[in-house]
Amino acid sequence: AQKITQTQPGMFVQEKEAVTLDCTYDTSDPSYGLFWYKQPSSGEMIFLIYQGSYDQQNATEGRYSLNFQKARKSANLVISASQLGDSAMYFCAMREGEIQGAQKLVFGQGTRLTINP
Amino acid sequence: DGGITQSPKYLFRKEGQNVTLSCEQNLNHDAMYWYRQDPGQGLRLIYYSQIVNDFQKGDIAEGYSVSREKKESFPLTVTSAQKNPTAFYLCASSTFGIMNTEAFFGQGTRLTVV
Repeated sequence: AQKITQTQPGMFVQEKEAVTLDCTYDTSDPSYGLFWYKQPSSGEMIFLIYQGSYDQQNATEGRYSLNFQKARKSANLVISASQLGDSAMYFCAMREGEIQGAQKLVFGQGTRLTINP
Repeated sequence: DGGITQSPKYLFRKEGQNVTLSCEQNLNHDAMYWYRQDPGQGLRLIYYSQIVNDFQKGDIAEGYSVSREKKESFPLTVTSAQKNPTAFYLCASSTFGIMNTEAFFGQGTRLTVV
């Protein structure tokens, strides 16, 4: 069974609009972490934001916020005031299991975001 | 500047040959990882290492081998047993044992079998 599902292969948004990228996950472990990464055309993975399973509040980092709905097992990324430089692939990833350990991440298939001027 | 360096950026291999991808980090991270990315797909874990001289298989280890002789270095060998080696390979590292710390990634190596 797929552990991370990103149902939007591609998204097109006008510059300065807000955009929500969907991510649902599947785990039976009570301790997990959710990450969002951005991958520009150059290929490197850029960390954007993190949400822990025990965090009481939704994570925010500048223009990025995470809409975490634990009961629905969703962790959607919201980008406010989109910019042309936001055009990239976006990946949702999950780390399960023990707190003391390596960051073994399971990735979704990604969403390609295109910002139109 | 601290970071992860992967080399080469592009690599061409003939069928039946082994090839080694380099990954070096100067972040003093304990854990290192290799991921594979196919076109239009997410990343899949090949191998990871939490300490020098120790490493574990990830989800798609068949046809790959690694070593961790130094904390800073985690080279990946793509052997001739790997049936479909053409892919984008990403190396990463992270601080060991902290839940909310992110993994840092290198710039990747694009391997093409010709």
